[in-house]
Amino acid sequence: EIVMTQSPATLSVSPGERVTLSCRASQSVSSDLAWFQQKPGQAPRLLIYGASTRATGIPARFSGSGSGTEFTLTIASLQSEDFGFYYCQQCNSWPLTFGQGTKVEIK
Amino acid sequence: EVQLVESGGVVVQPGGSLRLSCVASGFIFDDYAMHWVRQSVGKGLEWVSLVSWDGLKRHYADSVKGRFTISRDNGKNSLYLQMNGLRPEDTALYYCARGSLATTGRIPDSWGQGTLVTVSS
Repeated sequence: EIVMTQSPATLSVSPGERVTLSCRASQSVSSDLAWFQQKPGQAPRLLIYGASTRATGIPARFSGSGSGTEFTLTIASLQSEDFGFYYCQQCNSWPLTFGQGTKVEIK
Repeated sequence: EVQLVESGGVVVQPGGSLRLSCVASGFIFDDYAMHWVRQSVGKGLEWVSLVSWDGLKRHYADSVKGRFTISRDNGKNSLYLQMNGLRPEDTALYYCARGSLATTGRIPDSWGQGTLVTVSS
């Protein structure tokens, strides 16, 4: 199976800062990569699919890039509601796999 | 509005069986592939299984293959997960999720709130 590795594990950020999260695949997944946000006590929310396409209703401050094995989620200016956990998921081959997550916390 | 409501989570002994259900509303159920995804308390997300819109294609995580069976009843707008040979490591919150049409169903784009399965003696 394809192993997805996210870094860093935790990111301490002040509101208004630019945030960059990384996701690496153990083998190429082309552009078959999604990003999810999860807040405590809530279900995950799809942010990005196809590595760079924002899902419906997702603010423009969220952007995704990359292909192959290296991917990035960027939050242009972190808002208070953006704190939580972020997960990447590959959908290139079975079984589908998630990264272990990055926690974005208030600095 | 898309709604997914899971049920069936309980405390069960190791080796036991359980069937989870998910009732969908707010969209044309038989247009979409459906997923089960689980999350242990305080841990990350683990994809479990997917069934195609017509029920003919099924995929599983290696950790559940041969023990879990995903199915659906399009007439009842319902998704199921039959779980046999349960182990303590299967303890988790189980989410039902709809597969995005933009990704041929492979990415979950709407999620329920989950049902808690606890495997313990």
